[in-house]
Amino acid sequence: DQQVKQNSPSLSVQEGRISILNCDYTNSMFDYFLWYKKYPAEGPTFLISISSIKDKNEDGRFTVFLNKSAKHLSLHIVPSQPGDSAVYFCAASALMGAQKLVFGQGTRLTINP
Amino acid sequence: DVKVTQSSRYLVKRTGEKVFLECVQDMDHENMFWYRQDPGLGLRLIYFSYDVKMKEKGDIPEGYSVSREKKERFSLILESASTNQTSMYLCASRRAVETQYFGPGTRLLVL
Repeated sequence: DQQVKQNSPSLSVQEGRISILNCDYTNSMFDYFLWYKKYPAEGPTFLISISSIKDKNEDGRFTVFLNKSAKHLSLHIVPSQPGDSAVYFCAASALMGAQKLVFGQGTRLTINP
Repeated sequence: DVKVTQSSRYLVKRTGEKVFLECVQDMDHENMFWYRQDPGLGLRLIYFSYDVKMKEKGDIPEGYSVSREKKERFSLILESASTNQTSMYLCASRRAVETQYFGPGTRLLVL
């Protein structure tokens, strides 16, 4: 039972354009969402998060949008840079409860020069 | 600066060997986690611990055990390594509702 889904295994974007990574979830108890970025042979690094009381959170080139009614979140990267090429994981948790994060399968983003 | 360290970056073991993966965090976090990452499967939770000597099974605990004798240290044990446990192992720690931080990972190859 995949509670967090990233349906696109890969995405290719031209440098300077917008990258949009999508994530869907099924558990209505989730109320805190995070995006992580992972380079090969390294651990994931935290990018940006959003709680369910907001529908948008922005940090520099990164913006996360949350649509609670659709149980959907997205990460926008503008403008995309070659260093953004990595695997991106979305994750969700319920603020009450076991505190564990549930991760999606990841999307490999490639930024082409 | 937050830090999660793992004892080895790369490890090669033989089938049947007992394997210890160690993780240390310096952030005084209550919660610690072990994941494995495999292509197309994302990050799957093996075990987690929310306090010293406490442990909870994650989604794929079979073939693994854990130990948390001190708050800063969380060990993953493969009692008898098998080839299907070849993977990237990631340790993480987190205070209650804050951001989760990961270590650099251990790439384990079981021959």
